[in-house]
Amino acid sequence: NAGVTQTPKFQVLKTGQSMTLQCAQDMNHEYMSWYRQDPGMGLRLIHYSVGAGITDQGEVPNGYNVSRSTTEDFPLRLLSAAPSQTSVYFCASSALGVEAYNEQFFGPGTRLTVL
Amino acid sequence: GQNIDQPTEMTATEGAIVQINCTYQTSGFNGLFWYQQHAGEAPTFLSYNVLDGLEEKGRFSSFLSRSKGYSYLLLKELQMKDSASYLCAVNYGQNFVFGPGTRLSVLP
Repeated sequence: NAGVTQTPKFQVLKTGQSMTLQCAQDMNHEYMSWYRQDPGMGLRLIHYSVGAGITDQGEVPNGYNVSRSTTEDFPLRLLSAAPSQTSVYFCASSALGVEAYNEQFFGPGTRLTVL
Repeated sequence: GQNIDQPTEMTATEGAIVQINCTYQTSGFNGLFWYQQHAGEAPTFLSYNVLDGLEEKGRFSSFLSRSKGYSYLLLKELQMKDSASYLCAVNYGQNFVFGPGTRLSVLP
């Protein structure tokens, strides 16, 4: 099992450019999520999905879009990159328990710089 | 939003015991997770508490008091490789809210 994979590992964008961060998991997990991590702020939830065709906003969704057409893939799209989006982005997945959520497995992260 | 508080930094000596505290808002609480994150790497799961009490897993233990909105992670017999950030995360409904993390430095 590859677990959770993310591409690219590093990316530099210019202000106004768009791009897609890829995330895939091979554990058949229903729940997938995107976080950004900034110094001193911890991980902040951007968007999440509880299954194919279902997505919802997290704490900091502005400037990002997601879709979930398959169980395995959960891409994150930056519509028009801004310097404030410079961050490390983590994708995570977990199984959905009967009464509570299970541990999340994280991808290796994408380090994004917007100039 | 739901604020989660943790100390920013802690320092301890190899072989010692350290306790990292986490406080959170209790409304909507579904469970609490602890993750370890080494510099430049992804977080990895350490423990999960949903009921009051202590969960022990080798050198690591985690405690939860739901009524007080309080948890701690206890690390025993500290090793140099335990130098990392420790993240407290609370599950509220379908959301996970992470604390800012506690950076632990283990000194020889």
